[in-house]
Amino acid sequence: QSVLTQPPSVSAAPAQKVTISCSGSSSNIGNNYVSWFQQLPGTAPKRLIYENHKRPSGIPDRFSGSKSGTSATLDITGLQTGDEADYYCGTWDSSLNIWLFGGGTKLTVL
Amino acid sequence: EVQVVESGGGLVQPGGSLRLSCAASGFIFSNFLMSWVRQAPGKGLEWVAGINQDGSGKFYVDSVKGRFTISRDNAKDSLYLQMNSLRAEDTAVYYCATDEGWGQGTLVTVSS
Repeated sequence: QSVLTQPPSVSAAPAQKVTISCSGSSSNIGNNYVSWFQQLPGTAPKRLIYENHKRPSGIPDRFSGSKSGTSATLDITGLQTGDEADYYCGTWDSSLNIWLFGGGTKLTVL
Repeated sequence: EVQVVESGGGLVQPGGSLRLSCAASGFIFSNFLMSWVRQAPGKGLEWVAGINQDGSGKFYVDSVKGRFTISRDNAKDSLYLQMNSLRAEDTAVYYCATDEGWGQGTLVTVSS
């Protein structure tokens, strides 16, 4: 069981919006930046969001991140079938001195 | 263009050793913290080890402490993971990861 908790799966229709949550504690999310990663089937993960809400160049603004307290969220608007993937949150844990990943959320675009 | 390429994976018997390498290009390697992240078949991501920019700080997940050693050579833009006393549960795709990008991974299989 992961220290960072994500829902195992979410689904929504094309063009709709979906929110993926990531819950942690004061030693990780509460005091460190959160990143989000997308892993398309059969490929390596790619960073979508860093420092809670910033997007690397080339990431569309349909992807947005936020953090409040010990939780973070990833919002995806205007869903496309190509967004079907596993999504992971990640952050440093200052007590364990390790990087943590959430258990991952499988997004299905119906 | 950022490129991160892992090598060195393969089949090894329990108790054996492997050395993974990661060659980076397209960014200033010495400016970035580097990590190894693994993914067991059908499972999620697990961070394994990280090293700071000059190699003076190294961090490991508990399950590999004392068995794995991360290192880097900034002159060669390369990252390494020496894996000893390998176990079946170390079987995974190992990714070299940095803020600039991830490699495609190298498969390590520990089996007799």
